[in-house]
Amino acid sequence: QVQLQESGPGLVKSSETLSLTCTVSRGSISSSYYFWGWIRQPPGKGLEWIGSIYYNGGAYYNASLKSRLSISVDTSKNQFSLKLRSATAADTALYYCARQKQKTAAPGFYYFDYWGRGRLVTVSS
Amino acid sequence: EIVMTQSPATLSVSPGERATLSCRASQSINSNLAWYQQKPGQAPSLLIYDASTRATDVPARFSGSGSGTEFTLTINSLQSEDFAVYFCHQYNNWPPYTFGQGTKLEIK
Repeated sequence: QVQLQESGPGLVKSSETLSLTCTVSRGSISSSYYFWGWIRQPPGKGLEWIGSIYYNGGAYYNASLKSRLSISVDTSKNQFSLKLRSATAADTALYYCARQKQKTAAPGFYYFDYWGRGRLVTVSS
Repeated sequence: EIVMTQSPATLSVSPGERATLSCRASQSINSNLAWYQQKPGQAPSLLIYDASTRATDVPARFSGSGSGTEFTLTINSLQSEDFAVYFCHQYNNWPPYTFGQGTKLEIK
């Protein structure tokens, strides 16, 4: 089964850029049936969708983060990445990457079927 | 944005009994709802998609029902490994995808 692994700095200074990469193994990121997403979970809180990207680079972002956010994909490395500029303490969270599977015979509807273990990122002043 | 509301926030149930968790959407999401289980220190794991379809290798004691705005996750004959936090997630209207705040299922 597909595996996802987040990587990147666990500590980011306030006002700097938070950068994470998700490496996909045991599956191709170039499949037309999947999106690839980022979700975060602040300590003790619920889940917040950050954004998702398709293998061709088409991306959708959470409007609340859009002005600071960039998600990219590198099919040659089977990876996708997240950059969140001007980080603040409010961005401290456990960041997950996940695969989104297309609902059978229903393009446009995708649920998260496999998740990485998560990467805790702390933004410090 | 569709708001997902889960109830109760915490549910105390004895092993071997049945647990019923609820999730409500602020507008119709048809059957485009998933349930996830999250154990301490672990990533969420997909249990149910399309409101009622069990994911691969999910035990039959887990079942989902509902459509439109009201959804239920039922866990029969609770096992010790079932005590965890459960999230619902709508993928009907996006962006953004939205999640419920979670229900913590604890041992009574």
